[in-house]
Formats: sequence, structure tokens, C-alpha cells
Amino acid sequence: SQQGEEDPQALSIQEGENATMNCSYKTSINNLQWYRQNSGRGLVHLILIRSNEREKHSGRLRVTLDTSKKSSSLLITASRAADTASYFCATGTGANNLFFGTGTRLTVIP
Amino acid sequence: EPEVTQTPSHQVTQMGQEVILRCVPISNHLYFYWYRQILGQKVEFLVSFYNNEISEKSEIFDDQFSVERPDGSNFTLKIRSTKLEDSAMYFCASSGLGGTNEKLFFGSGTQLSVL
Repeated sequence: SQQGEEDPQALSIQEGENATMNCSYKTSINNLQWYRQNSGRGLVHLILIRSNEREKHSGRLRVTLDTSKKSSSLLITASRAADTASYFCATGTGANNLFFGTGTRLTVIP
Repeated sequence: EPEVTQTPSHQVTQMGQEVILRCVPISNHLYFYWYRQILGQKVEFLVSFYNNEISEKSEIFDDQFSVERPDGSNFTLKIRSTKLEDSAMYFCASSGLGGTNEKLFFGSGTQLSVL
């Protein structure tokens, strides 16, 4: 399976701290995407990084990609209570499918 | 921002019954997808659809499942004879010209409960 595995499965931090989530995958990819899911809701796209990119920023989000290690990380800086959600990485291989990882449940304590 | 809409939000059915889950993708999108998520578990790819035909499907998407774009706006997932293990949240998604090389827009899901 090429689905990603996120690490840790759950993370609890204080508001204002940074949160780092990691994703590992198995096959070659065209791109890697991060999505957020609030409880019981749909997934919302956060950021996409292509295989020829190493780092990307969007607001308080920073994503890195290491294709040699088949891994990616998502950093959320200065976390807020509203960041509480599950975060998923998803890998695109160029075929018309996108495979999601197992997710990290982030809890930000006010 | 444009939205993917799904109906119904909740569907309860008896085992063995047929269900149709409906989705209206974003109007100028070309690629359409169905995913499912069993409670507390990962998001699983079911099928993708482009140019009026299935382009990829997973092992989950067996002969009990079918998809259709009956008109220019709707995209449906049919489960012919539901099983208990089909109980899950079903998400529809769509994307533009780049397919999975660009972001997917997801609907809010249909919670399917098979009794």
C-alpha cells in the first residue's frame, strides 16, 4: 500500500506552542498534500508540495518534503485552540487517485 | 469559495437495500472522487472519475458499487446491496484540470448507517 503513515497518532499541546506532525510513505510521488478534518466534517486542503520542492510555507504552516527518506513534516507555529483537528497527509503518484495516511489528532489546549 | 455539496447528510438503510449517495461537484471541475471513512479510521479511496468513465478504483470498489454522472452537475455513488460493513462516512470530492496534481475539494459527507 502506498498510504502514508502519520506520526504521532495523537498530539496534545498548549496554545502558542508549535505542533509538528510527520508523514512517511512508500512509493514514488508527484506531490504530497496535507488536509485538515474537524470532527465529523469533510477534509479541507491546507498545502501541496511537489516532489521537486523541499519546503513550502503558507501562513503559520510550514511543510517539508524529503523524497530520499519518503517523508514529510507539517509544522504549525503559534498554535491556537481552533487548530484542534485531525491532520492527514495524502500522496499523489500521477495516477488519478490520492491516498490518505492514518492521521494525527491534534489537540490544542487553551 | 465554491463548495462540493452532498445529500443526504445522513442515510439509514437495511442490510441488502440499495442506496444512492448524491454529490454536486464544483461546476468547472473535471475530476470526481469518492472516499469513505469508517468511524475513527483512515480515509479510504474508492474511485475516481474523469471524462465520463472510471479512471481508478480501489479494491474496496467491487461489483456492489457503481458511479454515474447522470447529467452535467450530479455525481452519484450507488451501493447495490448494502452490508453492515458499508456503514461509514462517504465523501465526494472534485478537482480541476490538474486532477490529483492539485488540491481536492471535499463535501461534508454522507453518514451511511446499515442496520
